[in-house]
Amino acid sequence: DGGITQSPKYLFRKEGQNVTLSCEQNLNHDAMYWYRQDPGQGLRLIYYSQIVNDFQKGDIAEGYSVSREKKESFPLTVTSAQKNPTAFYLCASKGQGTPYNSPLHFGNGTRLTVT
Amino acid sequence: GQSLEQPSEVTAVEGAIVQINCTYQTSGFYGLSWYQQHDGGAPTFLSYNALDGLEETGRFSSFLSRSDSYGYLLLQELQMKDSASYFCAVSLSGTYKYIFGTGTRLKVLA
Repeated sequence: DGGITQSPKYLFRKEGQNVTLSCEQNLNHDAMYWYRQDPGQGLRLIYYSQIVNDFQKGDIAEGYSVSREKKESFPLTVTSAQKNPTAFYLCASKGQGTPYNSPLHFGNGTRLTVT
Repeated sequence: GQSLEQPSEVTAVEGAIVQINCTYQTSGFYGLSWYQQHDGGAPTFLSYNALDGLEETGRFSSFLSRSDSYGYLLLQELQMKDSASYFCAVSLSGTYKYIFGTGTRLKVLA
């Protein structure tokens, strides 16, 4: 079955360390997204990528970095510059067909805890 | 800036009808979508309105009025499993940027 895989499900890091969250999709989707969700809050856009080797900052990109070297993969690095990195991180991709109204498909998320 | 505002929480009883509102301030978008998220889980797509008016999908309906900058999700015959968070979302015109509302937590009581 096609889908989006995020790993690991839970991640623990010490303050000051960079950490990379994995996101892989086999849906053949061009567009991919990273969101951050804090407890009881909405989804805030970190970065998005329309196509391989291209990505755009979202609303809260500071302290994060991404790469898009392959269509299937869109890893997110949480750097030590991110002041409050503990959160639930969700990766998503967007389907083919009409480019703007196809829905997002989400992975199961990675819960990052930094102490 | 662009923003989509929703009530933070709504409570209703099993079997009832509930409406979750979404008011927005965006410069332009392709349509209004709705997603459901159970605690600890991933959001899943529920409904999409490209044009003004009502869209019906089973127990769920969604409405959009661009002139009023307003939309809503209507859930009928509420079930306990409908207890979840609901988000409106838009894809902004001319880009692939996709933003979400503040989210509404729905509690369904027996």
